[in-house]
Amino acid sequence: DAGVIQSPRHEVTEMGQEVTLRCKPISGHDYLFWYRQTMMRGLELLIYFNNNVPIDDSGMPEDRFSAKMPNASFSTLKIQPSEPRDSAVYFCASRAVAGGSTGELFFGEGSRLTVL
Amino acid sequence: QQQVKQSPQSLIVQKGGISIINCAYENTAFDYFPWYQQFPGKGPALLIAIRPDVSEKKEGRFTISFNKSAKQFSLHIMDSQPGDSATYFCAAADTGTASKLTFGTGTRLQVTL
Repeated sequence: DAGVIQSPRHEVTEMGQEVTLRCKPISGHDYLFWYRQTMMRGLELLIYFNNNVPIDDSGMPEDRFSAKMPNASFSTLKIQPSEPRDSAVYFCASRAVAGGSTGELFFGEGSRLTVL
Repeated sequence: QQQVKQSPQSLIVQKGGISIINCAYENTAFDYFPWYQQFPGKGPALLIAIRPDVSEKKEGRFTISFNKSAKQFSLHIMDSQPGDSATYFCAAADTGTASKLTFGTGTRLQVTL
């Protein structure tokens, strides 16, 4: 399997622009997670889905952030409008339901976002 | 509110030495404690994990020590090697009520020759 695939790997944009990050989870995985990584706060969970349904979005910082999972093989994280403080590495991760809550999380290589 | 506190923020260890990273948690409902390893430019990957019914788990050179009463757990890397240089994250989860992991802020380990 190719693993979790994220795009773009790097994104540089100007404040106020819309940013869309994309994720393809591992085939057969039922859980999908979006994390944000910064030096100050480490890895923060933004939102996670189970069977394409959002379960917990309490980590989404504000209404400028939205996430969708239209099908089992694709998810997007959108920031509109973007701000410099959104600069971070955004990770998508997936997990097989067979592993239960202790199942291994498989992370993508991340999307590094820089908002000028 | 940070529920998992990790220290130190960075660590330099000589080759062959022991690397020790500590984590403390607040939520007594946490019952699953994994460690993830992250190399530059890559996503984190599971290294080793423990449940609170045991006080220690060892896999090769990597050992987790768990102290339930103190609500602390630590990662020990024996005979540290330059290839171990990475960022290490501890994490915790309450598997009974949620499927999500709460991560610590990470420790950047550098193993020197």
